[in-house]
Amino acid sequence: DADVTQTPRNRITKTGKRIMLECSQTKGHDRMYWYRQDPGLGLRLIYYSFDVKDINKGEISDGYSVSRQAQAKFSLSLESAIPNQTALYFCATSETATGELFFGEGSRLTVL
Amino acid sequence: GESVGLHLPTLSVQEGDNSIINCAYSNSASDYFIWYKQESGKGPQFIIDIRSNMDKRQGQRVTVLLNKTVKHLSLQIAATQPGDSAVYFCAENFRPDTGRRALTFGSGTRLQVQP
Repeated sequence: DADVTQTPRNRITKTGKRIMLECSQTKGHDRMYWYRQDPGLGLRLIYYSFDVKDINKGEISDGYSVSRQAQAKFSLSLESAIPNQTALYFCATSETATGELFFGEGSRLTVL
Repeated sequence: GESVGLHLPTLSVQEGDNSIINCAYSNSASDYFIWYKQESGKGPQFIIDIRSNMDKRQGQRVTVLLNKTVKHLSLQIAATQPGDSAVYFCAENFRPDTGRRALTFGSGTRLQVQP
């Protein structure tokens, strides 16, 4: 089983709908991250959390919100999805702030 | 703009040749760098890392070089194999807007290995 699990893996939705992407991890790491990947733009940081009470905005947090329900769970929400939020979303964890990131397999979101 | 970038978006090499993927970073406060490999349909996977107190670090068939003077990072892959075909990202660990450390990624270089 994967150490970092994302659900759903694929989702197609319509403009204006609320979407939640969920991430759970079994690595026991305190630090969790949400990244967005677009062709030619690499991975951009949306939000990150260093523990359940510590949530930080990343480079592109507008239009997104997160919830750290427990050490092992970090969810990303799009309150009102728009087409330019069509992308591949990755959750990741790390043991330290300066250490290796462990990524999930990604959630592909299409907003029509 | 991005604080981490790459010189070449696509690199094509012959199987068996050595590959060099370059990366420029702009933040002198970054003290930790990682190279990731992303195969099609998968999440990025760690290749090798280097801290700023080092100039070179070697792994299995891979070497990372760090030149802090010109803020340049490179990944060298020896005897490139078809399985090395992927997109490679460099990342640095400084967040210039908040000062809180988190990894910031470049846009990636696609490595194509020709048989």
